[in-house]
Amino acid sequence: ETGVTQSPTHLIKTRGQQVTLRCSSQSGHNTVSWYQQALGQGPQFIFQYYREEENGRGNFPPRFSGLQFPNYSSELNVNALELDDSALYLCASSLGGLAGGVQYFGPGTRLTVT
Amino acid sequence: KNEVEQSPQNLTAQEGEFITINCSYSVGISALHWLQQHPGGGIVSLFMLSSGKKKHGRLIATINIQEKHSSLHITASHPRDSAVYICAVHSGGGATNKLIFGTGTLLAVQP
Repeated sequence: ETGVTQSPTHLIKTRGQQVTLRCSSQSGHNTVSWYQQALGQGPQFIFQYYREEENGRGNFPPRFSGLQFPNYSSELNVNALELDDSALYLCASSLGGLAGGVQYFGPGTRLTVT
Repeated sequence: KNEVEQSPQNLTAQEGEFITINCSYSVGISALHWLQQHPGGGIVSLFMLSSGKKKHGRLIATINIQEKHSSLHITASHPRDSAVYICAVHSGGGATNKLIFGTGTLLAVQP
């Protein structure tokens, strides 16, 4: 157990809808990163939040957005869902930014877009 | 060409064998991660390193910054080591901060 939790575990949405995924960081961690993992593929970095500000972003369109709260928990929001957004969404918490330390991953949220 | 390449893509070993998984990258990095992913999705971070060598139990990770290459070694492999092993590098800084992942190595250790 890493101490990182994600909710919900599974989610089914329709194309065009919006979704919010949540992540609670391990206690004391000030950095959270979000990843998308399509079936059979490796994770893709979406973005990272460090002390409530976006601090790095992968090749994802603006309809992928996020928030980090003062308690360092985080949300990933995806607007105008597309079929290709179906994937496992992982968050990971760490201390001190992407290069600051080992990342602790949550169990993921499985999103299916129909 | 991917910025992070792993080899081999698939590896089958017999229990007890010494295993090496390689990772090469073409970008400047500040850190490299080795991750383990079991069927069902859970990812565990094995190592984060920026130079030299780290050891944890039967696992050893090395990195050569000049050659832009890292290796993950597993000594005395066991069937419970069967998983996908993923190399990821931290590249950039500030707004260009990002993690770039390799495609993973699927390891199967047979009893």
